[in-house]
Amino acid sequence: DQQVKQNSPSLSVQEGRISILNCDYTNSMFDYFLWYKKYPAEGPTFLISISSIKDKNEDGRFTVFLNKSAKHLSLHIVPSQPGDSAVYFCAASAISRGAGSYQLTFGKGTKLSVIP
Amino acid sequence: NAGVTQTPKFQVLKTGQSMTLQCAQDMNHNSMYWYRQDPGMGLRLIYYSASEGTTDKGEVPNGYNVSRLNKREFSLRLESAAPSQTSVYFCASSRALSVFFGSGTQLSVL
Repeated sequence: DQQVKQNSPSLSVQEGRISILNCDYTNSMFDYFLWYKKYPAEGPTFLISISSIKDKNEDGRFTVFLNKSAKHLSLHIVPSQPGDSAVYFCAASAISRGAGSYQLTFGKGTKLSVIP
Repeated sequence: NAGVTQTPKFQVLKTGQSMTLQCAQDMNHNSMYWYRQDPGMGLRLIYYSASEGTTDKGEVPNGYNVSRLNKREFSLRLESAAPSQTSVYFCASSRALSVFFGSGTQLSVL
């Protein structure tokens, strides 16, 4: 059973518009959420994160929103640029589990295409 | 800065062959991980090492073994490769909540 779900395999957006990528999770133990960006033939790179004690985190053009009651988070990119075209993975971790490691559970990814 | 370095980048094996994927990080991180990514799937955790000298199974450990050789290096071994292990393998390391990935090893088992 998938604990982190990204239900949209792909998304196309015009350059300059807002991109909204969605993610749902089922495990209530998750308390830290991350978004990773991945280009072909490269490893995922960290984009932005949010702790469960917050409902919003912003970093430049990227904002992540967390709705704990709905177990839903979203990544907003505004304005979208062609260089943003990549696969975006939502990931979650239960840092309170401790053990000194931060295992990530990933969604299947959403391929974003920003059209010039 | 090299970050997380994986070798080889590409490998083709025949069913039943063995091989070891190498991973090294130069960020002095305690924790290291091996993930696999299959088409249309997210990354799934194979094994992790919370610190030097310890290893633990992740979500999909069957068919794999790992060795945390020292703080820098964490290797993944396939003792008898199977076509189901055709995948892209990513090594990662972390300090607290900052997780960094290598560029991946594309493995095909024929």
